[in-house]
Parts: sequence; structure tokens; C-alpha cells
Amino acid sequence: AQSVTQLDSQVPVFEEAPVELRCNYSSSVSVYLFWYVQYPNQGLQLLLKYLSGSTLVKGINGFEAEFNKSQTSFHLRKPSVHISDTAEYFCAVSDRSDQKVTFGIGTKLQVIP
Amino acid sequence: EAQVTQNPRYLITVTGKKLTVTCSQNMNHEYMSWYRQDPGLGLRQIYYSMNVEVTDKGDVPEGYKVSRKEKRNFPLILESPSPNQTSLYFCASSLSGSANSPLHFGNGTRLTVT
Repeated sequence: AQSVTQLDSQVPVFEEAPVELRCNYSSSVSVYLFWYVQYPNQGLQLLLKYLSGSTLVKGINGFEAEFNKSQTSFHLRKPSVHISDTAEYFCAVSDRSDQKVTFGIGTKLQVIP
Repeated sequence: EAQVTQNPRYLITVTGKKLTVTCSQNMNHEYMSWYRQDPGLGLRQIYYSMNVEVTDKGDVPEGYKVSRKEKRNFPLILESPSPNQTSLYFCASSLSGSANSPLHFGNGTRLTVT
């Protein structure tokens, strides 16, 4: 069975400051990794995904994430946040063998003007 | 516009009164799924469907039913709702249901059962 841990339930950060949202996973098999963003009163949208190849993945809105196999992590980063980045961010892991997707509990990013 | 459409957005009902939440996608996706989102628990899968007439239980299927008679529609049915089914529900779809296929989500249905 796989699991996803998002270590921070809430992250406040000032506008134009950098941010890192942490995600660790556990799985006995190879996985695909995703970050989704949920803006208020909306569904989740794909931010970026790691399927294979380069461990540094770039997504929409200036976000990027790095897959670290040895640390089983997939942290999300942005060098300079904007007010519009205020949202909840979900890390998700997909088991390559049975296609099951497991979501983390989410991290609420609050960008402070 | 490619989208997953859920209806209604908000629903308040009483215990035991049957209800249906509709979900439709216009992307010709094979895979559809229902999730519930609860504070501190993230998203948990209720049911999923790999294709027409093929459905299977997710992690929390108790108290729910689904059907997939057409490729585009995947309604969620609560035959006898109870207060513990008060939650935010999301329908999602993906092209193939394979592990590397990202999910496309609807805007959610907030259900309150009194």
C-alpha cells in the first residue's frame, strides 16, 4: 500500500517570498507523482507531474517540483509567490502497477500582502 | 470547453431521502471516479469506472451507488443519506485510467445531510 504525507497543513508566506511545500511518499513499487491545486470553491487542477526522466519538473504558474527517489520526496517550490497563489495544494501518488491514486491531506498556502 | 460538470453545486437534504449527484464529461474519457473531501482527511475515493458498464469500489464505498450506462455520465447515488455523508464531493475523469493519466475534476458538490 502507498501513502502520502504532506508535512504542513498550513503555510503562510509573504508576497514575493519563496515557498516550499513538502511531500513525502511511501510505496513498495515505482510511482508517478502529481501536484494539484485547488482554488477556493473550485475543483482540483493539475499543477505538474513526474512520470520519468528529469527529476526537476516544471509546471504552470511558475511552480516546480523535484523528485528525490532516495528521500522519497516530491517537494513543490516557487521562487516568488503572488497573492493569486493562495490555494490548497495536494500531492498525489499513483501506483504504476495497479493505477490507484492516493492523495495527501493538502497544504493551505496563504500568501500575505 | 473541455470540462467535468457536476450538479448541483450545493445540496441540503434530510436523513433517508434518496438523492443523485450528476457528473458529465465532454472529453471522451474512459475513466471516471468519485471522491469525497473532508477536513484533515484529504480526498478519498468512493467509486471508479474504467469504462462503460464497468464500476468498482474505492476506499469508502459504503452508502453510495454509481452507474456507468454511458461514457460521458457517472452519477453518484445516495439511497439513504446519513449525516456522516455530509461532505464535499468531486467527480473526476481521465483519458485512460492508467497510472500516468492526470485527473480532471469537476467544481464539486457540497452536500449537507441533516
